[in-house]
Amino acid sequence: AQSVSQHNHHVILSEAASLELGCNYSYGGTVNLFWYVQYPGQHLQLLLKYFSGDPLVKGIKGFEAEFIKSKFSFNLRKPSVQWSDTAEYFCAVNAGTPLVFGKGTRLSVIA
Amino acid sequence: EAEVAQSPRYKITEKSQAVAFWCDPISGHATLYWYRQILGQGPELLVQFQDESVVDDSQLPKDRFSAERLKGVDSTLKIQPAELGDSAMYLCASGPGGYNEQFFGPGTRLTVL
Repeated sequence: AQSVSQHNHHVILSEAASLELGCNYSYGGTVNLFWYVQYPGQHLQLLLKYFSGDPLVKGIKGFEAEFIKSKFSFNLRKPSVQWSDTAEYFCAVNAGTPLVFGKGTRLSVIA
Repeated sequence: EAEVAQSPRYKITEKSQAVAFWCDPISGHATLYWYRQILGQGPELLVQFQDESVVDDSQLPKDRFSAERLKGVDSTLKIQPAELGDSAMYLCASGPGGYNEQFFGPGTRLTVL
């Protein structure tokens, strides 16, 4: 069965610091990859997605992710975080099967 | 902007009682999903509908959980009887189907005492 690993459970950053959240998946075939975000008190919403083409994907609010097929990774990045980026971030993978989510990474941005 | 609606937002019940959750997907979305999210974990799929038909319910505990989407629009998820371990957030999502984005509702937070 496919699985998704998010290595960091909780990340604490100062405003303006750079962010990289790791995501690795186990499935070897063609995959569709997603990052979802859940801001405090809000519902899950899509941050960005990769289906095919350019492996560097840009999403909303200045986030981007890079698909590295050889490493089975889809890491999320942002060059400069803001306090409003405090949220829970979930990586998810779809490979012709139901969407599988990672356990999530909680990001806390401090002033 | 169209959203997925869920009710109730919060539900507290005693074990062995029956509970039901309702979901109204975004209009025109053929695919509807119910997920369970335990605190500190990612959402896990319970059941997937394509129109009124169940596509995947392999992770649904069928001895106590049931789900229906009778007219292919809104859906109900029921638990009977509820157990302490059912305490979780129950999320509904909808989408146009295939590998496209899923749109999530606000969820129902269930607490079983």
